[in-house]
Amino acid sequence: AQTVTQSQPEMSVQEAETVTLSCTYDTSESNYYLFWYKQPPSRQMILVIRQEAYKQQNATENRFSVNFQKAAKSFSLKISDSQLGDTAMYFCAQTAPNDMRFGAGTRLTVKP
Amino acid sequence: DAGVIQSPRHEVTEMGQEVTLRCKPISGHDYLFWYRQTMMRGLELLIYFNNNVPIDDSGMPEDRFSAKMPNASFSTLKIQPSEPRDSAVYFCASSVASSYNEQFFGPGTRLTVL
Repeated sequence: AQTVTQSQPEMSVQEAETVTLSCTYDTSESNYYLFWYKQPPSRQMILVIRQEAYKQQNATENRFSVNFQKAAKSFSLKISDSQLGDTAMYFCAQTAPNDMRFGAGTRLTVKP
Repeated sequence: DAGVIQSPRHEVTEMGQEVTLRCKPISGHDYLFWYRQTMMRGLELLIYFNNNVPIDDSGMPEDRFSAKMPNASFSTLKIQPSEPRDSAVYFCASSVASSYNEQFFGPGTRLTVL
């Protein structure tokens, strides 16, 4: 069975600084996708970034980037130039045929 | 597109009552997912459909839960009878072409069973 582990229940960062959220996963699948979703207080789940396992290049979306280490089964999210609007729960997720698993989430607070 | 639509947004009911949650996926999406989110268990996949057919319902907690998708634009999740431990936020999500792809989530239904 797949498992996704986020070892940091809570984190905080000063506005404009950089923060990295950790995620590890365990799967026997060779083909899968990894995602980071953001859930602000509004409760809406919003896709932040996506990584295909077969791609070696790390995905980047504006201030958000990932460090994908396939051999280590690690998928961390880096947020640069943190903004107050980045305050939210962040969920790491892994999908493969017929399954999708989410981590327990990391609550990120951006402080002014 | 209006995105994934869920109704109601909030539901308060008494133990033993039947509860029906509704979802309209994004037009053209052929995968539909139901999730439950609680503080204790996080986000759990309950069931998902492909082209209106249930593919995997192994996450459905027990027989009190059932889900249907009578057509491509509508799905329901029913709990009968409801219990206090069913209190949670229930999300519906949809994706196109593959269960690998990005899932677009609805706003969720917050269910409270008294």
